[in-house]
Amino acid sequence: QVTLKESGPVLVKPTETLTLTCTVSGFSLSNARMGVSWIRQPPGKALEWLAHIFSNDEKSYSTSLKSRLTISKDTSKSQVVLTMTNMDPVDTATYYCARTHDEGRFDPWGQGTLVTVSS
Amino acid sequence: QSVLTQPPSVSAAPGQKVTISCSGSSSNIGNNYVSWYQQLPGTAPKLLIYDNNKRPSGIPDRFSGSKSGTSATLGITGLQTGDEADYYCGTWDSSLSASFGGGTKLTVL
Repeated sequence: QVTLKESGPVLVKPTETLTLTCTVSGFSLSNARMGVSWIRQPPGKALEWLAHIFSNDEKSYSTSLKSRLTISKDTSKSQVVLTMTNMDPVDTATYYCARTHDEGRFDPWGQGTLVTVSS
Repeated sequence: QSVLTQPPSVSAAPGQKVTISCSGSSSNIGNNYVSWYQQLPGTAPKLLIYDNNKRPSGIPDRFSGSKSGTSATLGITGLQTGDEADYYCGTWDSSLSASFGGGTKLTVL
């Protein structure tokens, strides 16, 4: 059974850096043609894709957020880490990680973690 | 403003059929597979359709997908109250960036 679980702080202050970890089980981060993406959803709003990393360590970022994002993986720990710098209240959202298949589908998703940005 | 355009809401009676459209461009839908996701209230999104028209194991054949040119459509037949959810289309573009539609809220009257 493939599962993903997000972890990280529930509250961050404006200007701080957010670090989120996605721990996967049931598949290896070295599996060819698969990777992990981060996606967020502000309360009551739509999904927004942030970044992905594939088994060959290829990375891609949202154009609008690229300067603030870094994605990395530790295959031995089955973890994918996302950092987002200079957090702002508008970054308040539920952050999801999802296994990303080569042809583009996200399946499955983690349960999500709500991050609130407030002083 | 989402890259892919979906109607904000659709509604239909139980047992009826509904379609949800997703409009994009040649740089995204036109040259890439489309996926559809169902998000029940308070839960994470779940894959419904992938590769334009394929259903993952466990997804009933009441759900279907199609693509034509730069648009895609999700169809749901035999509507049930349990289908009330937000539905999102998603795809990628040539720069290896993913996009989602703005989401469509389905109400089963």
